[in-house]
Amino acid sequence: ILNVEQSPQSLHVQEGDSTNFTCSFPSSNFYALHWYRWETAKSPEALFVMTLNGDEKKKGRISATLNTKEGYSYLYIKGSQPEDSATYLCASTGGGGADGLTFGKGTHLIIQP
Amino acid sequence: DAGVIQSPRHEVTEMGQEVTLRCKPISGHNSLFWYRQTMMRGLELLIYFNNNVPIDDSGMPEDRFSAKMPNASFSTLKIQPSEPRDSAVYFCASSLIRQGPNTEAFFGQGTRLTVV
Repeated sequence: ILNVEQSPQSLHVQEGDSTNFTCSFPSSNFYALHWYRWETAKSPEALFVMTLNGDEKKKGRISATLNTKEGYSYLYIKGSQPEDSATYLCASTGGGGADGLTFGKGTHLIIQP
Repeated sequence: DAGVIQSPRHEVTEMGQEVTLRCKPISGHNSLFWYRQTMMRGLELLIYFNNNVPIDDSGMPEDRFSAKMPNASFSTLKIQPSEPRDSAVYFCASSLIRQGPNTEAFFGQGTRLTVV
């Protein structure tokens, strides 16, 4: 099973500020990188799936980039809002996509009004 | 579709007892995953099935844990005997594995297990 690391573990951001955090993963046998948003008492919700080096995905104020050669992905949130408070998980899969997703421990984001 | 359905939502049991967690994946999905979430270790993959066949169970912590998928619409995760350190939230997820990268997993609401 792959080893996926996320940093920072937790993050406090002032409402209106922009922020970003990192996911690193083994670049060998890489197939896809997923970002999930996980609110307390709910199940994780998929944000993005990326596969190609240089991929960029955007959904509203949230965007993500992927570097498969060096094995990292960034998640960016522009103009943070209180509803962005959640744990953001990244997960990597290898084996041509047939392997199970291996998750990092997440970045816990708290937006302060 | 109702999504991935897990039962029970909460389970409190005494050390040494057998615990069975249940999962119904989304209809038509061909892969099913069991994850465990703890504060210390985050979200860990325990085992996953493709077309009802266990593919990778290297994440199963020890022999006390076993998982089965007798058909495409049902899976169980069993702990026997249970121990306090097994206390965690157990998530089941399903996805449609096919050609291409869209292996997005849909998660159930989880089962919160407390072993006393």
